[in-house]
Amino acid sequence: DQQVKQNSPSLSVQEGRISILNCDYTNSMFDYFLWYKKYPAEGPTFLISISSIKDKNEDGRFTVFLNKSAKHLSLHIVPSQPGDSAVYFCAARRNTGNQFYFGTGTSLTVIP
Amino acid sequence: DGGITQSPKYLFRKEGQNVTLSCEQNLNHDAMYWYRQDPGQGLRLIYYSQIVNDFQKGDIAEGYSVSREKKESFPLTVTSAQKNPTAFYLCASSYLAGNGYEPYFGPGTRLTVT
Repeated sequence: DQQVKQNSPSLSVQEGRISILNCDYTNSMFDYFLWYKKYPAEGPTFLISISSIKDKNEDGRFTVFLNKSAKHLSLHIVPSQPGDSAVYFCAARRNTGNQFYFGTGTSLTVIP
Repeated sequence: DGGITQSPKYLFRKEGQNVTLSCEQNLNHDAMYWYRQDPGQGLRLIYYSQIVNDFQKGDIAEGYSVSREKKESFPLTVTSAQKNPTAFYLCASSYLAGNGYEPYFGPGTRLTVT
């Protein structure tokens, strides 16, 4: 049973425009959410996180929004750059234990 | 430099053989994790450990075993009981609480079993 879902397997965006990657979760016990970026044959690298007590967190070009009532989070990348082309995973941590659950990933392609 | 080392990068084994994947970290992290990545499946948790000599099963532990004899090391053994062992295996580590407790990943090991 997939507790973290990324329903869009792929996304293409023009350079300079906004990329919006979406993630839904089902477990109301999740209290910490993260986004990772991954290139083929490499480990994921951490991008940005948000605690369940917040609804927005920004870091440079990256902003994560959390809507707890909808159990939905999104990652905004503005402006998008060709180097942003990668697979993006969202992840969530339950408030008990230390397990992190990952989505299936969205492959972002930024077109120059 | 602090980080996570996974070796080897590529591993080939014959069906029916057990194989052990290495994971070492020098980040002084308490928790360590093993994930498996398959196309279209995302990252699935195999095992995790929050403290030396203790570990818990993740969602897909069948056919795998682990040990945590040292804080720095968390080797994963893929046994012959694992039905579909060919995959990309990722090791990660994190603090248990406080700042920076997001998992930090190693470079991964690609295991091919034929």
